[in-house]
Amino acid sequence: DADVTQTPRNRITKTGKRIMLECSQTKGHDRMYWYRQDPGLGLRLIYYSFDVKDINKGEISDGYSVSRQAQAKFSLSLESAIPNQTALYFCATSDPGLAGYQTDTQYFGPGTRLTVL
Amino acid sequence: GEDVEQSLFLSVREGDSSVINCTYTDSSSTYLYWYKQEPGAGLQLLTYIFSNMDMKQDQRLTVLLNKKDKHLSLRIADTQTGDSAIYFCAESRFSGGYNKLIFGAGTRLAVHP
Repeated sequence: DADVTQTPRNRITKTGKRIMLECSQTKGHDRMYWYRQDPGLGLRLIYYSFDVKDINKGEISDGYSVSRQAQAKFSLSLESAIPNQTALYFCATSDPGLAGYQTDTQYFGPGTRLTVL
Repeated sequence: GEDVEQSLFLSVREGDSSVINCTYTDSSSTYLYWYKQEPGAGLQLLTYIFSNMDMKQDQRLTVLLNKKDKHLSLRIADTQTGDSAIYFCAESRFSGGYNKLIFGAGTRLAVHP
């Protein structure tokens, strides 16, 4: 979805390096998410944010941190990358919708493929 | 994806119908989603169904929901080579003020001539 962009699209780094993955959206959604995808495991939630001041850990937040710089920007950092963080990382956004209609459908960016050597 | 299960692979002939199946565990799930992931691309929302419905049709796509058995299926009519992708089923659980998505591991659909 072109409304959600991620940079870089591919990154190779070494163990111990600090890495930042960026996500920007033009959908005007308040809610943003970071997931990782591993083969055979589907997507797992790392962190999510309901607005600039509201950030929450997901199921696999260890080794990651996030920053919500603005409504449109949500960054994921690996403070000291390790090989088992090699994965495909997705950013997503959502809008809770009208009161009583809680679809809160999530829209995904194209992903960042990260390889940690 | 341990709470949402899908078969990992499906191969069909071009022009045939494809049926991708999914089972989930939480009977209180409000919405169930199908996402498509093409090679090198992100997840594209295909369709979703509200838990009080049993069927939803959108052009070549038909979603069937059996809430009693917690079974969801996606039928693609007249499957084309462009339908080759990984299809993810996801259930939503409304908790903590938002719909948490639980994904299956994905079904890789291969379409051959």
